[in-house]
Amino acid sequence: GAVVSQHPSWVICKSGTSVKIECRSLDFQATTMFWYRQFPKQSLMLMATSNEGSKATYEQGVEKDKFLINHASLTLSTLTVTSAHPEDSSFYICSAGWTPNYGYTFGSGTRLTVV
Amino acid sequence: AQTVTQSQPEMSVQEAETVTLSCTYDTSESDYYLFWYKQPPSRQMILVIRQEAYKQQNATENRFSVNFQKAAKSFSLKISDSQLGDAAMYFCAYRSGAAGNKLTFGGGTRVLVKP
Repeated sequence: GAVVSQHPSWVICKSGTSVKIECRSLDFQATTMFWYRQFPKQSLMLMATSNEGSKATYEQGVEKDKFLINHASLTLSTLTVTSAHPEDSSFYICSAGWTPNYGYTFGSGTRLTVV
Repeated sequence: AQTVTQSQPEMSVQEAETVTLSCTYDTSESDYYLFWYKQPPSRQMILVIRQEAYKQQNATENRFSVNFQKAAKSFSLKISDSQLGDAAMYFCAYRSGAAGNKLTFGGGTRVLVKP
């Protein structure tokens, strides 16, 4: 079946630094990738939608200059949290967009802690 | 915009018993899909079951079944013969059949299984 590999699974960074999270579709081409944020004991909130070769579409209230998304190929999408602050600490999950055979495929998530 | 509501923050069930999780949604569309996802402590999102709105027959997957009431915009999940491994967060989700393809999640229901 379809697999989305997400790395790193967890990361601790200092306040003010940037962190990059990668999502790779291993055995299929993901023309669309969704990026979610999940706070403890809460639901998944969509941050942005990325389409291969074009600019990402951000949800209302999400700072596009802070959360940089790149989808340069059909198998790789990245989320960079720039100038991270403690309030950016969260669980980030990517999901490849809908395909008739596989539906949605989720990465395993990245726990980001900013200290 | 579509909204998904899960009114039960937590449900407890005895092992081998049955539990039903509620989900309601709001939409003006006629073409859409509904899903139930499971998120265990590992936080990996796992598809439990899906339902196409145009199908009148309720979807079933082994011990999991749904009660899809389109007119009432209700989509409940029944877990039969509950097992310890069913303990997790369960999220109801909506996908428009039109352009966009993004998932809208409900707030989640935590299921506790008592041995």
